[in-house]
Amino acid sequence: NAGVTQTPKFQVLKTGQSMTLQCAQDMNHEYMSWYRQDPGMGLRLIHYSVGAGITDQGEVPNGYNVSRSTTEDFPLRLLSAAPSQTSVYFCASSSFRVGYEQYFGPGTRLTVT
Amino acid sequence: DAKTTQPPSMDCAEGRAANLPCNHSTISGNEYVYWYRQIHSQGPQYIIHGLKNNETNEMASLIITEDRKSSTLILPHATLRDTAVYYCIVSSQTGANNLFFGTGTRLTVIP
Repeated sequence: NAGVTQTPKFQVLKTGQSMTLQCAQDMNHEYMSWYRQDPGMGLRLIHYSVGAGITDQGEVPNGYNVSRSTTEDFPLRLLSAAPSQTSVYFCASSSFRVGYEQYFGPGTRLTVT
Repeated sequence: DAKTTQPPSMDCAEGRAANLPCNHSTISGNEYVYWYRQIHSQGPQYIIHGLKNNETNEMASLIITEDRKSSTLILPHATLRDTAVYYCIVSSQTGANNLFFGTGTRLTVIP
């Protein structure tokens, strides 16, 4: 199993540009989440999903959209990038079958200039 | 979900036990205690979780007080590879995919 994969690993955007961060998991987990981590801070939840077709907002959802059309994929869209969105983005998946233990991807490092 | 309080940093000598405390005085009856760690800039790694009984796995032990208001993560024989930020999180199991991460405890294992 590849586990949780994220692409790209690094990205530089100009203010106002849009982009999609990709996240995929091959463990058939029903739950998936997106977090952001600013320097020296803990992770903050952006959006999460409890299954295909179902998403909900986390702590810091503004400026981001998500969709969950399949169990495997959970892309995160930045609608109009701002410097405040410079951060490291982590995707995670989990399942009741493994006690809701979350598996995290390697992260995407995003810089908005 | 209940919030937690952890010391910002701790040191531990290599080969000794590392005991990381966590206070969660507002924990609810259906909330579990989860521990994750983050090594350098990697994605967090699950360590262990428990409800009220002490738990042990190949990585660590989790000791939860009888009133459940605090817990301790024990790494029995710390190695340099255990240097990381350790997060204590309380959450119901149904909310375990949307965890609240605080700033954690930065553990430094000293040779």
